[in-house]
Amino acid sequence: DARVTQTPRHKVTEMGQEVTMRCQPILGHNTVFWYRQTMMQGLELLAYFRNRAPLDDSGMPKDRFSAEMPDATLATLKIQPSEPRDSAVYFCASGLGTSGTARDEQFFGPGTRLTVL
Amino acid sequence: DQQVKQNSPSLSVQEGRISILNCDYTNSMFDYFLWYKKYPAEGPTFLISISSIKDKNEDGRFTVFLNKSAKHLSLHIVPSQPGDSAVYFCAASALLGSNYKLTFGKGTLLTVNP
Repeated sequence: DARVTQTPRHKVTEMGQEVTMRCQPILGHNTVFWYRQTMMQGLELLAYFRNRAPLDDSGMPKDRFSAEMPDATLATLKIQPSEPRDSAVYFCASGLGTSGTARDEQFFGPGTRLTVL
Repeated sequence: DQQVKQNSPSLSVQEGRISILNCDYTNSMFDYFLWYKKYPAEGPTFLISISSIKDKNEDGRFTVFLNKSAKHLSLHIVPSQPGDSAVYFCAASALLGSNYKLTFGKGTLLTVNP
């Protein structure tokens, strides 16, 4: 069955290193979202794309985070340089609905657990 | 400033009884609300949603109630089953600029005891 896939599932890195997380949305979905889950903040929206175009990245620290969709089958979230406070679970989600917006049901991937030492 | 609040971090219920999960919001621009369920080591999965023009939406054992004047919504699960044990996230959507944005609460851990 169709699922959102994310790689890697776990990543441990040292402060200052570059981290790249990848997401393969469900084929045919036109919206892709990146979320971060922490104990303190819960689930926060970092960025979202519709038809590969970035629509909202206001939740993302611009100086170190970047999100792209090189093609319809791949979304990437990059952190450079990484810091200990970036430690969290990062979820990718995709959606396809009549409105093509964040209102539509979102299908989440299993997440990437990032630990920055 | 948390615009979507789930004030109970956890809830424990006996199998067969009703589970009621609550959610409060502060932004009157929110006009669409969703509930997601999350099991450990998995991503959240969509459960049920409600538009602000309604006050109730039902899907099987799950019913969401919306009280706009109180800016409060609740998810009722009847009867509760052990498989319902999970973290439940409330989310709200508002049009910000030209795009809809989803804001999540911090979640409530529901434990259904056999």
